[in-house]
Amino acid sequence: GAVVSQHPSWVICKSGTSVKIECRSLDFQATTMFWYRQFPKQSLMLMATSNEGSKATYEQGVEKDKFLINHASLTLSTLTVTSAHPEDSSFYICSASSQSGVSNQPQHFGDGTRLSIL
Amino acid sequence: DAKTTQPTSMDCAEGRAANLPCNHSTISGNEYVYWYRQIHSQGPQYIIHGLKNNETNEMASLIITEDRKSSTLILPHATLRDTAVYYCIVRGPSGNTPLVFGKGTRLSVIA
Repeated sequence: GAVVSQHPSWVICKSGTSVKIECRSLDFQATTMFWYRQFPKQSLMLMATSNEGSKATYEQGVEKDKFLINHASLTLSTLTVTSAHPEDSSFYICSASSQSGVSNQPQHFGDGTRLSIL
Repeated sequence: DAKTTQPTSMDCAEGRAANLPCNHSTISGNEYVYWYRQIHSQGPQYIIHGLKNNETNEMASLIITEDRKSSTLILPHATLRDTAVYYCIVRGPSGNTPLVFGKGTRLSVIA
């Protein structure tokens, strides 16, 4: 089945550091990937839609200059948390649909990246 | 905002069927019902989806009412490993449309 790989799975860094998270579709091409954030005991919240070869679409309240998204190929999207601060600590999860644009295809999720900013 | 309503939590005895309800009274004609689950500290796992007919796969069955305003996910023989938060999500047919998560149902399977 469709597999989405996310790396790293866990990162701890100092305040002010920028952190890059990779999301790869391993056995399919994805023109669209999605980035979510999940705080403890809460549901997943959509941050942005990542489109291959074009700018990402951010949800209201998500700072595009803070969370940089690059979707340079059909199998890779990256999320960079710039100048991270403790309030950015969260569980970040990406997803993608196989055969993007084809109707009725489920999205598949990566295993998430737990980011802790000290 | 999520377009579905689910109970906050449910318990199920190991080996018994787990029936998880979901209300989606405002569902549109071309929207599908998707079910995912999230085990602690992992990404959501796809379970099943359907439009109007009942569906079954190796993981579960999905029963959708004739008016499509509600559905039930059935895990036929729940195991301890099925303990998770289960999300019922309504989404249009395009794969480019994101999933919007509600609060889901926390299912606890008890030995």
